Amino acid sequence: QITLKESGPTLVKPTQTLTLTCTFSGFSLRTSGVGVGWVRQPPGKALEWLSLIYWDDDKRYSPSLESRLTITKDTSKNQVVLTMTNMDPLDTATYYCTHTAAYGEYAFDVWGQGTMVIVSS
Amino acid sequence: QAVLTQPSSLSASPGASASLTCTLRSGINVGTYRIYWYQQKAGSPPQYLLTYMSDSNKQQGSGVPSRFSGSKDASANAGILLISGLQSEDEADYYCMTWHNSASVFGGGTKLTVL
Repeated sequence: QITLKESGPTLVKPTQTLTLTCTFSGFSLRTSGVGVGWVRQPPGKALEWLSLIYWDDDKRYSPSLESRLTITKDTSKNQVVLTMTNMDPLDTATYYCTHTAAYGEYAFDVWGQGTMVIVSS
Repeated sequence: QAVLTQPSSLSASPGASASLTCTLRSGINVGTYRIYWYQQKAGSPPQYLLTYMSDSNKQQGSGVPSRFSGSKDASANAGILLISGLQSEDEADYYCMTWHNSASVFGGGTKLTVL
């Protein structure tokens, strides 16, 4: 059974850097074709894809946020870390991590419960 | 113009069918894109429903009832999620998604009301 869980600060100040960790189980990021992605959702608004890292360390970023995002993986800990610099109140959202794989045609087939991040001074 | 456009809301009656559309931006041909569909109920994370490329290339999410199905309307350049035999539990937000230029893109979502 695949599970993912997001962790990180609930409150960050404007201009600070946000670091979120996704800890997963039920699969390995050493397995060919597997990836972990991040999606966020501001309150009452739509989903927005942020980033994805694949088993081979290939990394993808949203074009509109690429300059602020960094994604890394630690396969020994079954973790993926997303950092977002220069946080703004508009970045207030629930942040989800997701599983994806080639056998699922790269759908985001399993989601974590999400972690709420509020950006406020 | 957004890559994927969805109507903001749709209402339908229990037992009826609902057709949710996801229109691709002009110049992006729906025929060459996989369309993914997700359901999000209030207070819960999104859940994967299905992927549709063609009738011979489609995937249903694990445990997703067959009354959820996908298709395309080439003339409208749109992906379609069809929900048949609507139930009150189908009331939710529905998002389409695709991969465009190696980046994932979501539509703005459709709020489906079953009444």
